Amino acid sequence: QQPVQSPQAVILREGEDAVINCSSSKALYSVHWYRQKHGEAPVFLMILLKGGEQKGHEKISASFNEKKQQSSLYLTASQLSYSGTYFCGTPGWNNYGQNFVFGPGTRLSVLP
Amino acid sequence: EAQVTQNPRYLITVTGKKLTVTCSQNMNHEYMSWYRQDPGLGLRQIYYSMNVEVTDKGDVPEGYKVSRKEKRNFPLILESPSPNQTSLYFCASMPGMGPGQGVSEQYFGPGTRLTVT
Repeated sequence: QQPVQSPQAVILREGEDAVINCSSSKALYSVHWYRQKHGEAPVFLMILLKGGEQKGHEKISASFNEKKQQSSLYLTASQLSYSGTYFCGTPGWNNYGQNFVFGPGTRLSVLP
Repeated sequence: EAQVTQNPRYLITVTGKKLTVTCSQNMNHEYMSWYRQDPGLGLRQIYYSMNVEVTDKGDVPEGYKVSRKEKRNFPLILESPSPNQTSLYFCASMPGMGPGQGVSEQYFGPGTRLTVT
């Protein structure tokens, strides 16, 4: 039930681009993206909704393919501040009610 | 300021000694969650609450209890902690999770690092 993320880790130089993928075996109604610095709380980046609406970050873009049950996060011209672990997450249903499930994370390191 | 607070931030305890981690939000959110975070496993939902007096199990509820007597508070209770509950815990809230909801961000507390020896 947990979304799958790829790659597990990526190392970039400043100014390079990266793509982080998130896929699910279950239907996705919305996809959330968060970034977490080591030891800190996750910080919201954006939400992608069915129908193409996006809510969130100015400098980071993402796509959401409902049919393929996939989302991708695009980090262009990466900055040192982009380093951290990126999580996708999605609301869903478990045996008890409406839960929320995160992927295992993608660790991004941006080097000078 | 809109925020989720957790206390304590750090806790070292011994096996079997009951403990409570408090969580409070000031945004009048209906949906609240507890997550635990372990290396390589991401954030796993322990329990969630759709509203006052409504709580349900997440993916890893064993060994934990919660209550939601007031909208703003969602304490996590470990009645008999064990070493495998050593982890980083986050409380989070969002406006709601009904039809058409689940489309707002989750607000996370600062985290509680728990060590059980």
